[in-house]
Amino acid sequence: DAGITQSPRHKVTETGTPVTLRCHQTENHRYMYWYRQDPGHGLRLIHYSYGVKDTDKGEVSDGYSVSRSKTEDFLLTLESATSSQTSVYFCAISPSDGSYNEQFFGPGTRLTVL
Amino acid sequence: AQSVTQPDIHITVSEGASLELRCNYSYGATPYLFWYVQSPGQGLQLLLKYFSGDTLVQGIKGFEAEFKRSQSSFNLRKPSVHWSDAAEYFCAVGENRDDKIIFGKGTRLHILP
Repeated sequence: DAGITQSPRHKVTETGTPVTLRCHQTENHRYMYWYRQDPGHGLRLIHYSYGVKDTDKGEVSDGYSVSRSKTEDFLLTLESATSSQTSVYFCAISPSDGSYNEQFFGPGTRLTVL
Repeated sequence: AQSVTQPDIHITVSEGASLELRCNYSYGATPYLFWYVQSPGQGLQLLLKYFSGDTLVQGIKGFEAEFKRSQSSFNLRKPSVHWSDAAEYFCAVGENRDDKIIFGKGTRLHILP
């Protein structure tokens, strides 16, 4: 299994509070991604990173920000959590070595916003 | 824009029966195609992928998929399912830029004993 960890694995928070989720990889892969998974929607891309300090928006980026100061860490921040952000969040990585590559997924973080 | 359609939200099959999960994609060029599986409470695991070459792709756990360009399909098959195959299955197409992937909405597979 690819070395990807996510923390925390579970979190309950209140509307309006800031939340930061962490994704950590030990594979030294260039690309990292944040998805949210909701019933009936599959996985939707929030943000992704193609290198240190290089990030871009995905399909559902509103209300989220990201940062990547080191190759191994990719942080997802909800500046002011809302109930609509209750979801399961997955991090993924991809080596992107010049040819197309599949993504490898972390175990997920279940976030509940009350 | 690329898209992936999985027509079946739920499928129920008996243990030992054959399985086919449908996937249709929309993509202008030669697609990169994937099937992932997600067991309850787990992350996604890659079953198989198609990038080029032989259109019949073998994957892990006895699964295979066939790329049919004329039908824009990439259906997943298994000749005999096991109770442990109960999970949600996602078809996905690669966007050929930044290794991004577009996922279908998933098909949940139920296995009858």
